[in-house]
Amino acid sequence: EAEVAQSPRYKITEKSQAVAFWCDPISGHATLYWYRQILGQGPELLVQFQDESVVDDSQLPKDRFSAERLKGVDSTLKIQPAELGDSAMYLCASSLFPSGREANTGELFFGEGSRLTVL
Amino acid sequence: RKEVEQDPGPFNVPEGATVAFNCTYSNSASQSFFWYRQDCRKEPKLLMSVYSSGNEDGRFTAQLNRASQYISLLIRDSKLSDSATYLCVVNPFGGAGNMLTFGGGTRLMVKP
Repeated sequence: EAEVAQSPRYKITEKSQAVAFWCDPISGHATLYWYRQILGQGPELLVQFQDESVVDDSQLPKDRFSAERLKGVDSTLKIQPAELGDSAMYLCASSLFPSGREANTGELFFGEGSRLTVL
Repeated sequence: RKEVEQDPGPFNVPEGATVAFNCTYSNSASQSFFWYRQDCRKEPKLLMSVYSSGNEDGRFTAQLNRASQYISLLIRDSKLSDSATYLCVVNPFGGAGNMLTFGGGTRLMVKP
């Protein structure tokens, strides 16, 4: 079982509905990521947080997607309204980023993901 | 052109075979490189880092060729349990932080 907690594991919704995913990273991990993985493809970064601040959200479709990490711990990713093309696995990951020193270990710890199906 | 490209496969090999995957990256300034493994319907997990001098871990060997901008993964004596998707991962930025870009993955199927 992954140490990064995600919920729900599965979500089926109709297009135009709102959906939200939650992620609780490994305790002490300052960096949190949301990736989207379409079946048969690699994960694509949607947003990266360093503590409560967004580091990169250049690939986040901001007209319908939003993400927050208000207290720098857990995070929520929201889609409103959902579209058919949003059907995918939404993966949350965290990494240890020691403050004051460069960290480039490349090890991300992923949760088990939230599989979204939009009908 | 994608930043990180991989042959999607699948590579179908018999047990005991040696198999190699390549991955190309477009940003010549990329700083660090990794292979992740993803089992079917599971989350990706770090398999190994790829150092300039190469890296070997048991049956797995990773190599980096900066001049040609590709990395490779060699698996010797394949096991049934090696069946998975292997994701090539590149950090295009130096310095602090992880800004990892994943390739599309190469699927390996090891058969008895």
